[in-house]
Amino acid sequence: NAGVTQTPKFQVLKTGQSMTLQCAQDMNHEYMSWYRQDPGMGLRLIHYSVGAGITDQGEVPNGYNVSRSTTEDFPLRLLSAAPSQTSVYFCASSPTSGRSYNEQFFGPGTRLTVL
Amino acid sequence: GDSVTQMEGPVTLSEEAFLTINCTYTATGYPSLFWYVQYPGEGLQLLLKATKADDKGSNKGFEATYRKETTSFHLEKGSVQVSDSAVYFCALSDSGAGSYQLTFGKGTKLSVIP
Repeated sequence: NAGVTQTPKFQVLKTGQSMTLQCAQDMNHEYMSWYRQDPGMGLRLIHYSVGAGITDQGEVPNGYNVSRSTTEDFPLRLLSAAPSQTSVYFCASSPTSGRSYNEQFFGPGTRLTVL
Repeated sequence: GDSVTQMEGPVTLSEEAFLTINCTYTATGYPSLFWYVQYPGEGLQLLLKATKADDKGSNKGFEATYRKETTSFHLEKGSVQVSDSAVYFCALSDSGAGSYQLTFGKGTKLSVIP
């Protein structure tokens, strides 16, 4: 199993540009989520999904869009990048039943800089 | 709402020293509690967890006990190594039906020097 994969690892954008951060998992997990990590702030939830076709907002959803057309993929779209979105972005997935219920598996992260 | 408070770092220890990182939580239900570790340049990894009061989670020499009476889940290790240098996050997951979200503390950076 590859686990949770994220692409790209690094990205530099100009203000106003749009882009999509990719996330995929091969563990057949129903739950997937996106976090951003900023110094001194811990991890903050952006959006999450409990299954294909179902998404919902987290703590800091403004400026981001998500979709979940398959169990495996959960892309995060930045609609019009702003310097305040400079951060490290992590995707995570979790089973919703069984022994590992609620244990979240994290990808390696995407470091995004918006100029 | 739910919240997690953990001791601020950074924490610097000598090799073989005893480690404690304090974590307290606020939750409306009966949450599951977690410690995650983040090594430099990597994503978070689950270190240990506890799902009910008085449970003790343990892994790689680290331990934490779920204390409902003090709403705490302090992380301990008897003898730290240089390889334990990382950022440690305390987190909780509310026990409500269909709730899989994690609420994180702000993280504690640990540096272990030889």
